[in-house]
Amino acid sequence: EPEVTQTPSHQVTQMGQEVILRCVPISNHLYFYWYRQILGQKVEFLVSFYNNEISEKSEIFDDQFSVERPDGSNFTLKIRSTKLEDSAMYFCASNKVYSNQPQHFGDGTRLSIL
Amino acid sequence: ELKVEQNPLFLSMQEGKNYTIYCNYSTTSDRLYWYRQDPGKSLESLFVLLSNGAVKQEGRLMASLDTKARLSTLHITAAVHDLSATYFCAVDEDNFNKFYFGSGTKLNVKP
Repeated sequence: EPEVTQTPSHQVTQMGQEVILRCVPISNHLYFYWYRQILGQKVEFLVSFYNNEISEKSEIFDDQFSVERPDGSNFTLKIRSTKLEDSAMYFCASNKVYSNQPQHFGDGTRLSIL
Repeated sequence: ELKVEQNPLFLSMQEGKNYTIYCNYSTTSDRLYWYRQDPGKSLESLFVLLSNGAVKQEGRLMASLDTKARLSTLHITAAVHDLSATYFCAVDEDNFNKFYFGSGTKLNVKP
């Protein structure tokens, strides 16, 4: 079965540095999402992306964050000037357009800010 | 902002027992999802409920949706240890563009 793949699985970064988290959605999916989950807490929606633009974003997704689909397969989340509180698990998900199927989630990237 | 509330947040039960997890939400959405998450792992889809009165069953788990009450339930029948995990409900607001998750119910099934 096709999978959403995320790299790296674990990223350790100094506070203030920029990080890029990468995702390869399932090939025939057109809706892409980023979520974050702080350890032990709920999954929080960050952003949805469709047709090469942001569809919706949450209050968490401020100017520090950006997303990009640089080519036909990758979907990236960039976090500029990271803060300690950005430490979390970041999940990428994808879905077909107007599908009655659930989103498919990747295994996540654990981001640790030191 | 849409609110999704689950209860209980923690549930410890003996094998063989039955229990229900509740998910209340504040929007008029008629799409609700249940996911399972094992520690340190990703989210695994369990059920997709797409209309009022929808009921889905898989093994010892059964989910239902009442859109008028804005309530979904996840019922566990004759629990087994393998069901120990955290269960999240999620609601789709704005037609696949925005999803809100509940706080999760951490289930521990004791042998």
